[in-house]
Amino acid sequence: SAVISQKPSRDICQRGTSLTIQCQVDSQVTMMFWYRQQPGQSLTLIATANQGSEATYESGFVIDKFPISRPNLTFSTLTVSNMSPEDSSIYLCSVAGLAGGNEQFFGPGTRLTVL
Amino acid sequence: KNQVEQSPQSLIILEGKNCTLQCNYTVSPFSNLRWYKQDTGRGPVSLTIMTFSENTKSNGRYTATLDADTKQSSLHITASQLSDSASYICVVSAKGGFQKLVFGTGTRLLVSP
Repeated sequence: SAVISQKPSRDICQRGTSLTIQCQVDSQVTMMFWYRQQPGQSLTLIATANQGSEATYESGFVIDKFPISRPNLTFSTLTVSNMSPEDSSIYLCSVAGLAGGNEQFFGPGTRLTVL
Repeated sequence: KNQVEQSPQSLIILEGKNCTLQCNYTVSPFSNLRWYKQDTGRGPVSLTIMTFSENTKSNGRYTATLDADTKQSSLHITASQLSDSASYICVVSAKGGFQKLVFGTGTRLLVSP
């Protein structure tokens, strides 16, 4: 399995500001993903974080709003830009591909509240 | 449209009792089905993964079943404990990689003493 940590675990932010969430994994992984989980909703994939290149975004998500970095195989960041109350969610980092397996592991999540 | 529906939406049971959670899906082409447990304020943790050819898989007190013909799955929890209180999420993967996961909205289980 993989041990995944996220920082911050929670934050309360003012509208119009930006927040960067960090995801650190204890081993090198092939794939890293960022998800959003709005209150009472299922998880929605935001993007796949690609090591050394631009992230691959899902429909409805754009780089200007959710810039992502992945400088190496154990670390990634997600920035939520120009926040509005609608961005209040739990943001989850996820990894897959350890030892070639098909398991997917999730981080503990970052609970974001935008006022 | 690929969808995963879970029932019930929420459930309260007494400690020590059994319960069964349901998952219906319309994801195609089917690759595998996963059940996750998500404690409040935590990320989902995998309980089971089943492929097309597997009918049942157990993980301790958790037993998942899969009927690929009717596109239904269930998660049975035996002798529930207070620590089983969590959301249980059914996730179905279409062929094409992890980007093709379809998440259910979960069943929120509360085990009462």
